[in-house]
Amino acid sequence: GAGVSQSPSNKVTEKGKDVELRCDPISGHTALYWYRQSLGQGLEFLIYFQGNSAPDKSGLPSDRFSAERTGGSVSTLTIQRTQQEDSAVYLCASSFTGTAKNIQYFGAGTRLSVL
Amino acid sequence: KNQVEQSPQSLIILEGKNCTLQCNYTVSPFSNLRWYKQDTGRGPVSLTIMTFSENTKSNGRYTATLDADTKQSSLHITASQLSDSASYICVVTYLGVSGYALNFGKGTSLLVTP
Repeated sequence: GAGVSQSPSNKVTEKGKDVELRCDPISGHTALYWYRQSLGQGLEFLIYFQGNSAPDKSGLPSDRFSAERTGGSVSTLTIQRTQQEDSAVYLCASSFTGTAKNIQYFGAGTRLSVL
Repeated sequence: KNQVEQSPQSLIILEGKNCTLQCNYTVSPFSNLRWYKQDTGRGPVSLTIMTFSENTKSNGRYTATLDADTKQSSLHITASQLSDSASYICVVTYLGVSGYALNFGKGTSLLVTP
């Protein structure tokens, strides 16, 4: 596709379950970012992948959160033992490179609801 | 404390009117400032990006200004349309020795009514 694709668009899960969120970046983009947007809050940085470099995991809120990017393209964000406070919209973005001037193109997000 | 503050938090205007959204930041050293538009249920879309040396940048009816001395930016929307109803997010890029990081404001929610 032409843009960043995220799936699923909505996910409802029970507290304690694990969830996997998927992001397909724009083809050719080497940088990929995950953000979390909670109701009434700004975007919160989670993790950043750039090419084959070690990811910047400084934004992950706990060890229940992890992400991987296979083959330098598709990324999966995994949340283990979900908690109600994990309910948010999870946004993925990609950019051509990881330099400061590059525009990040966002997907539509995955709305996660933890019951 | 968030290093990027946006105001107002929300705004309602009549179709056809102009409005100005504000963004104040304390991020330093500064690399660039971006404005994004986020429609309900969608991801943010870039409107403008300005570096330290740029004072103004336009994108159609959207005009962003930047005063790097006072660390203030504004987004002016001219002749508003119903489709302008969205959240507008200010993002300031910090450039440090270990790389750069994005600092997001909480956004201004704009509603344009007929």
